[in-house]
Amino acid sequence: DTGVSQNPRHKITKRGQNVTFRCDPISEHNRLYWYRQTLGQGPEFLTYFQNEAQLEKSRLLSDRFSAERPKGSFSTLEIQRTEQGDSAMYLCASRTTTEVYGYTFGSGTRLTVV
Amino acid sequence: QQQVKQSPQSLIVQKGGIPIINCAYENTAFDYFPWYQQFPGKGPALLIAIRPDVSEKKEGRFTISFNKSAKQFSLHIMDSQPGDSATYFCAARWSARQLTFGSGTQLTVLP
Repeated sequence: DTGVSQNPRHKITKRGQNVTFRCDPISEHNRLYWYRQTLGQGPEFLTYFQNEAQLEKSRLLSDRFSAERPKGSFSTLEIQRTEQGDSAMYLCASRTTTEVYGYTFGSGTRLTVV
Repeated sequence: QQQVKQSPQSLIVQKGGIPIINCAYENTAFDYFPWYQQFPGKGPALLIAIRPDVSEKKEGRFTISFNKSAKQFSLHIMDSQPGDSATYFCAARWSARQLTFGSGTQLTVLP
């Protein structure tokens, strides 16, 4: 599989629970991005990594959100104490540093907080 | 300054028509303007992109027109087909950073 893989595809959780999503980028892509997309809106930037270093975080990324990319390969996004407002599609994208046009998005994880 | 404003919100055309989607930006530091196509349940997929030193770019049935002085760019889909029915997003990026997306246009092409 040469695409960006995200798991799970869907997650339903009760308010207050913690959830973790995983993104497996294209293997040679050293940049990895997380976006959040709510219904009827465009994706909004959350954070990005170059290899294992987290280089930028959006103000949208509250203290309840944490992302890691421990070995510069896959990444995880954890949301603690979920709130109903966290319900959204969480998208991961990756690219190489040099291929500046080559953002490839995964199919996302749809989170529903009930 | 980081916003990209997209219009219309939705668009319905007959097969063979030429839907046009428009975007406007404020940040003159933006240096890359892609368009993405998204089908339900899927992530956005790159359709076509342009840099600000070019006024027009064509790839197949898709054309980007770019007006640097007006800070506007648009997507034209020639000979539209029902399979083009999807949500289209414009985006912009500066200095190799993250993409800033418009709010999307839901296109329906009637058979």
